This record gives sequence, structure tokens and C-alpha cells, in this order.
Amino acid sequence: QLQLQESGPGLVKPSETLSLTCTVSGGSISSSSYYWGWIRQPPGKGLEWIGSIYYSGSTYYNPSLKSRVTISVDTSKNQFSLKLSSVTAADTAVYYCASHLGGDDAFDIWGQGTMVTVSS
Amino acid sequence: SYVLTQPPSVSVAPGKTARITCGGNNIGSKSVHWYQQKPGQAPVLVIYYDSDRPSGIPERFSGSNSGNTATLTISRVEAGDEADYYCQVWDSSSDHPNVVFGGGTKLTVL
Repeated sequence: QLQLQESGPGLVKPSETLSLTCTVSGGSISSSSYYWGWIRQPPGKGLEWIGSIYYSGSTYYNPSLKSRVTISVDTSKNQFSLKLSSVTAADTAVYYCASHLGGDDAFDIWGQGTMVTVSS
Repeated sequence: SYVLTQPPSVSVAPGKTARITCGGNNIGSKSVHWYQQKPGQAPVLVIYYDSDRPSGIPERFSGSNSGNTATLTISRVEAGDEADYYCQVWDSSSDHPNVVFGGGTKLTVL
């Protein structure tokens, strides 16, 4: 059974870069079946997709965040990562990693989420 | 950009049927996925590709999609169904695919 677990700092200063990692267990991140994505949810608000990556390195980003987002994959560690630069208070959210089978598919497996607060 | 519109809230008595809508321009031509999120928990997929149920999701959950509206239907509603529900599609109208979520609907069981 595939499981995902987010990790990273819970507090980031404004203008700095938010960095999170998602560790995949119960399966290989190099599986040709899966894409790996990041989704966030500000407190009391809805879900926002950040972007997705295929194990080969192909990426898709939310156009509204594209200029600040980098998603990468480390197959040796069975992990994928998110970097969001120049953060502001508006980037305060619970960040989820999730998997989906393809470019039109649902996010079927989710991590538990990690809260990131942007504050000085 | 593509927009999905959900009612902010829906209320239903136990044992009755809840219908949560998701509106979008010609959404019937897209595949719609639905998620249930309870407080403090990650979302859980309850319907994918308009009307398919993942294993472990009760048959009480069903979905449909036509025209400009997709609908999540929950039959014989139970107290445990109280949660936020989100619809989601992939929008491929631009150069690169983009994931769009609806704003979410809070289901209250009276």
C-alpha cells in the first residue's frame, strides 16, 4: 500500500524559500504508473494545486505559482520535493503531497499534510 | 482559466439524500473527481472519473456529470458523512495541463 509523508520546516520567514519533501513508501517513485503532486490549503480555505512531477522529471505547474515553484524528484531516496521562493503570509497553508496516475486522473493517495507558517 | 463553482453549504437530515453540485463551462466534457475532507484530515477520494468509486467507499456515494453540472449524490446520509466536499478537474485548454478544484461545499447533517 502506497504511503506518502511530508516533512520540512513549519516556519519560514517572509521572502525566503519554503522547502518540503515527500517520502514515498510501499512502492517505487520510479513507477511508470504514477505522477507525484503538491497541493496546499490555507487555513479555513479550499484546495489549491501547486504542481506535479513524473519520475522522469517532467513537471506541470499551476500557472499562478509557476514563477516561484520548483518540484524535483530524487529516485535514490524515493522522495520528491517542493521549493516555493519569495514566500509571503499568503503562502501560509497546510501542504499535502499526493499521487495520481496520469494527466487526467484523480489524486488517489494523500499524505497527512504539514502546516507551514510564513512569519518573521 | 477554468472555474468550478460549488455551493458553500448543503444541509440534509439523516437518512435523506444529499446532492452537491459542481458547475463549470461544458464540464460534461471533462472527467470530474470528488474528495471528502473531514476537519484536521487530508482529503479522501470518494468518486473518480465522474462516477467510479474507489474500493472502500460506500455505494451510497455516486456521481454524475452532464452539460455544465457535475453532481455528487450521497444516499441515506449518515452523521459520519458531515464534511467538506471538493470537485476537481484537469483543464487542458492551455499549453500545459492545470488542476482546478472547486471552492468546496460543507455538508451539514441536521
